[in-house]
Amino acid sequence: AQSVTQLGSHVSVSEGALVLLRCNYSSSVPPYLFWYVQYPNQGLQLLLKYTTGATLVKGINGFEAEFKKSETSFHLTKPSAHMSDAAEYFCAVRGANSGNEKLTFGTGTRLTIIP
Amino acid sequence: ETGVTQSPTHLIKTRGQQVTLRCSSQSGHNTVSWYQQALGQGPQFIFQYYREEENGRGNFPPRFSGLQFPNYSSELNVNALELDDSALYLCASSSGQNTGELFFGEGSRLTVL
Repeated sequence: AQSVTQLGSHVSVSEGALVLLRCNYSSSVPPYLFWYVQYPNQGLQLLLKYTTGATLVKGINGFEAEFKKSETSFHLTKPSAHMSDAAEYFCAVRGANSGNEKLTFGTGTRLTIIP
Repeated sequence: ETGVTQSPTHLIKTRGQQVTLRCSSQSGHNTVSWYQQALGQGPQFIFQYYREEENGRGNFPPRFSGLQFPNYSSELNVNALELDDSALYLCASSSGQNTGELFFGEGSRLTVL
């Protein structure tokens, strides 16, 4: 079984400041990990994913995340926030060798950018 | 390349009614998943279809059912609607090759009165 905990339902940062969104996971098998973004009244868009290989993963729009097995974490970062980053962000997990593509999502973090 | 499309975008039903939501998968994708996203929550997995067969189900009662057609489009049916069924229903398609990447539609927002 898998689960995800996102610390902080709301995060506010100033434009140009570092963005850090926290995600911790639990999985009984090797995990695949994902970050998705959701803009108002839209579906989810994949930002980045970790499956195997390099633990530092780069995604779209300047975001990156690092898989830390010892800490069971997959935090999302961006060096400099932009107004267009304001959205809801979801961390998700699935088992690496599960028979289907079921994702278990966290409850989300709403990112607000302060001008 | 056509993305995932869902219909209708919004609908209102009353308690006890039935609803059918539709999804066209992205070109080349043979796997469709459905998720329920209640207000302020993350998406919850309902079920997945692979080549017209259900291939995994979440913790949802049997009144939630689905179909996948030979062209890989899909339907989600919900019978005996309850107030708590009010949510955004998201369809996602994937290639079925264990890449882990899902492509989501914009969802169907269901309100049950």
